[in-house]
Amino acid sequence: DQQVKQNSPSLSVQEGRISILNCDYTNSMFDYFLWYKKYPAEGPTFLISISSIKDKNEDGRFTVFLNKSAKHLSLHIVPSQPGDSAVYFCAAKVSAGNMLTFGGGTRLMVKP
Amino acid sequence: DTAVSQTPKYLVTQMGNDKSIKCEQNLGHDTMYWYKQDSKKFLKIMFSYNNKELIINETVPNRFSPKSPDKAHLNLHINSLELGDSAVYFCASSKGAAGNTIYFGEGSWLTVV
Repeated sequence: DQQVKQNSPSLSVQEGRISILNCDYTNSMFDYFLWYKKYPAEGPTFLISISSIKDKNEDGRFTVFLNKSAKHLSLHIVPSQPGDSAVYFCAAKVSAGNMLTFGGGTRLMVKP
Repeated sequence: DTAVSQTPKYLVTQMGNDKSIKCEQNLGHDTMYWYKQDSKKFLKIMFSYNNKELIINETVPNRFSPKSPDKAHLNLHINSLELGDSAVYFCASSKGAAGNTIYFGEGSWLTVV
């Protein structure tokens, strides 16, 4: 039973355009959400997070939006760069706990 | 400086063998984890230790035994390796038992033949 889902296994975007990666969750107890970026042969690297008390968090080119009623979050990358090409994992947790539940990942390819 | 380091990075071994993967973090965190990324690329937690004490133990065969000699180390021992154990194992750490940001090591690629 996947509690965190990333329905798009891959996404291709032109350099300079916006990349939008989506994530859905089913567990209403989740109240903290994270995005991780993973290059081949490396471990996941923390990118950005958002608490359920917010609906938006921005860090440079990266913005995460949270829609609690829809149990949906998205990561926007603007402008996209070739170096952003990686697998992006959405993760969720109950903030009082320490167990992250991951989505299956979305492979982003940014074309020059 | 590598914050979370794990060794070996690649390991090929035969079925039935016993192997260990070591993990160390220099972030001063008190909680450490082992995650497994299976063939379908899903990352799933296996164990979590806080201050050397086990706090999460997901449904993992008892052939897998984590050992935490101190807060900075969490090693994973696997006995009687099976083909299905082939996966990438990631060590991770966070500050506090409910640390919201978890930092991962580079992964250990285990192949059982």
